[in-house]
Amino acid sequence: DAGITQSPRHKVTETGTPVTLRCHQTENHRYMYWYRQDPGHGLRLIHYSYGVKDTDKGEVSDGYSVSRSKTEDFLLTLESATSSQTSVYFCAISTGSNEKLFFGSGTQLSVL
Amino acid sequence: GESVGLHLPTLSVQEGDNSIINCAYSNSASDYFIWYKQESGKGPQFIIDIRSNMDKRQGQRVTVLLNKTVKHLSLQIAATQPGDSAVYFCAEKVTGGGNKLTFGTGTQLKVEL
Repeated sequence: DAGITQSPRHKVTETGTPVTLRCHQTENHRYMYWYRQDPGHGLRLIHYSYGVKDTDKGEVSDGYSVSRSKTEDFLLTLESATSSQTSVYFCAISTGSNEKLFFGSGTQLSVL
Repeated sequence: GESVGLHLPTLSVQEGDNSIINCAYSNSASDYFIWYKQESGKGPQFIIDIRSNMDKRQGQRVTVLLNKTVKHLSLQIAATQPGDSAVYFCAEKVTGGGNKLTFGTGTQLKVEL
């Protein structure tokens, strides 16, 4: 998947616990994104990054935070997981803001 | 076409036939469009893209057609193969409109042997 590794691939957690998902890329792309995918919805952007320590919110950012301390790593944190955050999370990368995105294999997160 | 509910529209085709998957996009200002393929349990895979200064673009066995007048995008797959079975969805973007790619919910393509 275009040099993108997401970890973990599967996670089951309890409501109220913190969760961090990791995205690692080997392509040295400037832009990185976190999306969630739910039945009945298209992929929805949570947060994105346009460089080290440069991040911005997407359309469904409430309850999520991100960090990018290195070009290759983009972390998504759920500070206090809720059942509504049960979803499949995808990381994506691109060379520019008007270029195609390449996606990772996804993380299936279940919040019980 | 794109789904408005939990059930994806399904297109069933015979192996070897051509497939046409349609997408009605929402924003008349969108000027960049992408088609993705997603197999079960995997991430979306880039197929082909097109910018609004073109109305047709061809790749290997795939062609994307863009009709800006009616805000319609289609993906044509020639000689459909079993490996083409997947969910296909389009995405649209407005250049300079931040990083917001708007994704459709997809069409399930089933290839019958």
